This record gives sequence, C-alpha cells and structure tokens, in this order.
Amino acid sequence: EPEVTQTPSHQVTQMGQEVILRCVPISNHLYFYWYRQILGQKVEFLVSFYNNEISEKSEIFDDQFSVERPDGSNFTLKIRSTKLEDSAMYFCASRPGTGSPQYFGPGTRLTVT
Amino acid sequence: GENVEQHPSTLSVQEGDSAVIKCTYSDSASNYFPWYKQELGKRPQLIIDIRSNVGEKKDQRIAVTLNKTAKHFSLHITETQPEDSAVYFCAATGGGSYIPTFGRGTSLIVHP
Repeated sequence: EPEVTQTPSHQVTQMGQEVILRCVPISNHLYFYWYRQILGQKVEFLVSFYNNEISEKSEIFDDQFSVERPDGSNFTLKIRSTKLEDSAMYFCASRPGTGSPQYFGPGTRLTVT
Repeated sequence: GENVEQHPSTLSVQEGDSAVIKCTYSDSASNYFPWYKQELGKRPQLIIDIRSNVGEKKDQRIAVTLNKTAKHFSLHITETQPEDSAVYFCAATGGGSYIPTFGRGTSLIVHP
C-alpha cells in the first residue's frame, strides 16, 4: 500500500538557521498538507496546497514559513529562520480529493537549539 | 472557525472492557468526522470516519456515532486489547473548509 514518506526523520538545527523538511505524497493525491505537533499536544494545521498554490493557511504559518512543490513528487516546508518554539514534530499529509481522508507521513522531528 | 472539544484526556481500562471517547464540535456545517490513532512516536493513522448523513458506523471492534443535533460524536472500542493503547484524536471538517480541526487527544491505556 502506498504511503506518504518524509525526510529526514530527525533534524537538529540552531536558532536562526533555515531548514527544509521534505515530503513525498502518495502519487495520485492532489491535496497536500503540513501539520505540526508540539510534544504531548494536539496536531495543528499549518497549510494546505492544491493546484500548485496555497489554498489555506493558519495563523501559525507566518512569513517565516513557505511551501513548494518543486517537481511532480516532492512537497517541501521551509522555515527561514528557526526559533526555539518551532521545535515540534512536523507531519505531511495528502489525500486524493475532497471528502476523502488524509494520509499522514511518519513525521520529521525538528529540534531547534 | 470550528472548535473541537475531546474528553477524556486520559482513559484507563482493563483488557476486555469497552472504551468510549467523546467529541463535540461547534460548526453545524461540519460534515466529515475522522478518528485517528497515534501510537507513541508514530504517525496518526485513520481508523474510522463518519459523514454527516450517517448516524453510526462500525468496523469490527470499533464504532463511531454521530449526533448532528447535539453536535457530538463518539468513538467506541469494544473488547479492548493492550495494542489499542495509543492516543486517539477526533477531528471535524466541513463548512467550507477542507481542513480538519483536531481535538486535543485521548490517551487510552489498556491494562492486561
């Protein structure tokens, strides 16, 4: 069964540095998402992406964040200048169409020191 | 926007008992309600979902009920097993947005 994949599984970075988190959604899916989950807390929506553009974003997704789908398979989340409070698990998700469930990737644990 | 409340935050049961987790939502236009199971350090995985035109759905030991009038939905797990131990998240979607709003999660512990 196809799955969403994410790399790296764990990223450690220093405050102020840029990070890029990578995701490969399931191949026939059209809608892509990034979520974050601070340790022990609920999953929080960051951004959704459809037809090569952002369709929705949350208040968390400020100017420090950006997303890209540089080719037909990858979907990336960039954090321009990381802060300590960006430390969290970041999940990518995709789904084939509206009204269908989302499938989550295994997550990237980001640690900002 | 949508607000989802989930209770309890922690649920401890003996193996073989039933477990019930409840969620309420605020937006009456929400029409899709998935439940996710997240084992420690792993990704959330969809275990069951229900749409607003259905009142109940079952899949083996798992069932979900939806009361649209009261705006609440519940997850029922029967004959619990230790491998059911995980954090369970409810979510609500709809009302013009395709973005699920998640509840805070319930940590289910099944004691052998």
